[in-house]
Amino acid sequence: AQRVTQPEKLLSVFKGAPVELKCNYSYSGSPELFWYVQYSRQRLQLLLRHISRESIKGFTADLNKGETSFHLKKPFAQEEDSAMYYCALSYMNRDDKIIFGKGTRLHILP
Amino acid sequence: SAVISQKPSRDICQRGTSLTIQCQVDSQVTMMFWYRQQPGQSLTLIATANQGSEATYESGFVIDKFPISRPNLTFSTLTVSNLSPEDSSIYLCSVALAGRDTQYFGPGTRLTVL
Repeated sequence: AQRVTQPEKLLSVFKGAPVELKCNYSYSGSPELFWYVQYSRQRLQLLLRHISRESIKGFTADLNKGETSFHLKKPFAQEEDSAMYYCALSYMNRDDKIIFGKGTRLHILP
Repeated sequence: SAVISQKPSRDICQRGTSLTIQCQVDSQVTMMFWYRQQPGQSLTLIATANQGSEATYESGFVIDKFPISRPNLTFSTLTVSNLSPEDSSIYLCSVALAGRDTQYFGPGTRLTVL
């Protein structure tokens, strides 16, 4: 069955330190992976998608099919990065359905 | 992108009543989705609403409890029926634009059932 696992509910990182939010997935087909972010009092929004291979707000994520992972990384954390981060998987060719992980709250310490 | 609004933004309801949530999109979209986000939990897909056809419900969700309407390509409603405290949650609608599987989310409706 399709599943997205984010092992950390809360991650606290000092400002300027590197950030890594872990995400592992389970899917037998070709997945499309996303990271969504929800800042305080804002709606859930797309941060980045693996197919775009882009860096958004300094964040990158590489799909590792061997390890079935899609970890989100940033070399130097900023206070404005504090938010809830959700890893998500789209079933290819399955009516655009998305499965979300349980989310990781990132707290940047001053 | 798409701009999505939801009404109401929050409500407090009595047990046994129903609440209808509206979702309006600023462009025509084929697929609209309804999610539930219970306290401390992730988003769970309730159903997919296509215009002109019956909604498709995920395992654990039934039409009698969560009837959905999709009268046109820019609007949908979700009703949460026969409310119980366990229905207290945030309900979100989202859309996927044609040919793209990125979803855009509404601001959510926070429901509290007493």
